Amino acid sequence: IAGITQAPTSQILAAGRRMTLRCTQDMRHNAMYWYRQDLGLGLRLIHYSNTAGTTGKGEVPDGYSVSRANTDDFPLTLASAVPSQTSVYFCASSHSTSGSRELFFGEGSRLTVL
Amino acid sequence: GQNIDQPTEMTATEGAIVQINCTYQTSGFNGLFWYQQHAGEAPTFLSYNVLDGLEEKGRFSSFLSRSKGYSYLLLKELQMKDSASYLCARMDSNYQLIWGAGTKLIIKP
Repeated sequence: IAGITQAPTSQILAAGRRMTLRCTQDMRHNAMYWYRQDLGLGLRLIHYSNTAGTTGKGEVPDGYSVSRANTDDFPLTLASAVPSQTSVYFCASSHSTSGSRELFFGEGSRLTVL
Repeated sequence: GQNIDQPTEMTATEGAIVQINCTYQTSGFNGLFWYQQHAGEAPTFLSYNVLDGLEEKGRFSSFLSRSKGYSYLLLKELQMKDSASYLCARMDSNYQLIWGAGTKLIIKP
């Protein structure tokens, strides 16, 4: 089934630990994004990639890093997790040359940092 | 700023019509999106407006006025499954989306 897959769906980890959230899409979309969603706030962009081999910083990039080695994969790494990074993380992709650039979202990864 | 403003919560009755408003900053505007998000799930695309006017898609319609920085999502013949959050998002000049906090819509029988 075509789409975008995130893993893990849920994770609890201790502060200071390193964590990588995985994201894979099979729609051959060139653009990919990582958002976090917190209660009472809109989705906030962490990092994005317009094409394989390039990445850019979003609104809230501090404490996070990404890589885009190929079209399909866009992992998000928390080098040393802090409690303020407790959130729901959504990966998304879009075909950036299409008119609307509609985003397709993964099911989300719920992360709790203690 | 880049504020997207939409009501936090709305309540409507099954079978009725509801309009969810969204206002946004007009500078660097490249389109207006509406997404639906059920609790615990991912957002899903509803509509995209880049020109003024009303776009109808089944029970859902979306309206845009670029000069006023205003959009609304109109839901007709409400069903219980329409209970969800509705997210308004503006595409900026860099083709990035700026999101509102969402409107939680509660449908009552």
